[in-house]
Amino acid sequence: DAGITQSPRHKVTETGTPVTLRCHQTENHRYMYWYRQDPGHGLRLIHYSYGVKDTDKGEVSDGYSVSRSKTEDFLLTLESATSSQTSVYFCAISESILAKNIQYFGAGTRLSVL
Amino acid sequence: GEDVEQSLFLSVREGDSSVINCTYTDSSSTYLYWYKQEPGAGLQLLTYIFSNMDMKQDQRLTVLLNKKDKHLSLRIADTQTGDSAIYFCAESKLTGGGNKLTFGTGTQLKVEL
Repeated sequence: DAGITQSPRHKVTETGTPVTLRCHQTENHRYMYWYRQDPGHGLRLIHYSYGVKDTDKGEVSDGYSVSRSKTEDFLLTLESATSSQTSVYFCAISESILAKNIQYFGAGTRLSVL
Repeated sequence: GEDVEQSLFLSVREGDSSVINCTYTDSSSTYLYWYKQEPGAGLQLLTYIFSNMDMKQDQRLTVLLNKKDKHLSLRIADTQTGDSAIYFCAESKLTGGGNKLTFGTGTQLKVEL
């Protein structure tokens, strides 16, 4: 998976608890992304980062926050998890977004909010 | 809207050709991509095509692009059981923040013996 590690791979949590998912890359790519995958919706962008401490919202950012303190790490936090956030979360990285934006994906984190 | 549409399922017999279709909505899309997702795994880039091309061939894969109809297809020749997976098309659009990808809903390909 192109030097991308997501942790944890599986997590079960309760409604109202905070959850942090981690994405770690060894490719030194500038751009990092968090997506969620749900049946019938494909992949939807939550947040992305274009550099250390530089982040922006995607189409489904409500209820999520991100941080990037180092090039290699991009964290996704659910401040207070809800059942609607049960999903599979994918991290992706890309080297450039000026022309082609070829994204490489991690193996995903399956999150269940009970 | 910005929906990228795909049919949900496709079933083919081993050795036949598979054709997976995708329609997109933004005529200004610069690149279009096909990704493959095997069970329990992330997405893997299969191929991509620049918007000024109408065809690209890569071994068993052929991508056709019809810009007038905003239609993209992926043909897999001599489909094998290992091709069973979910296939996503994606379009890349230039925004103020660079090129962003919008993914389709995915087509589940089942290859039967």
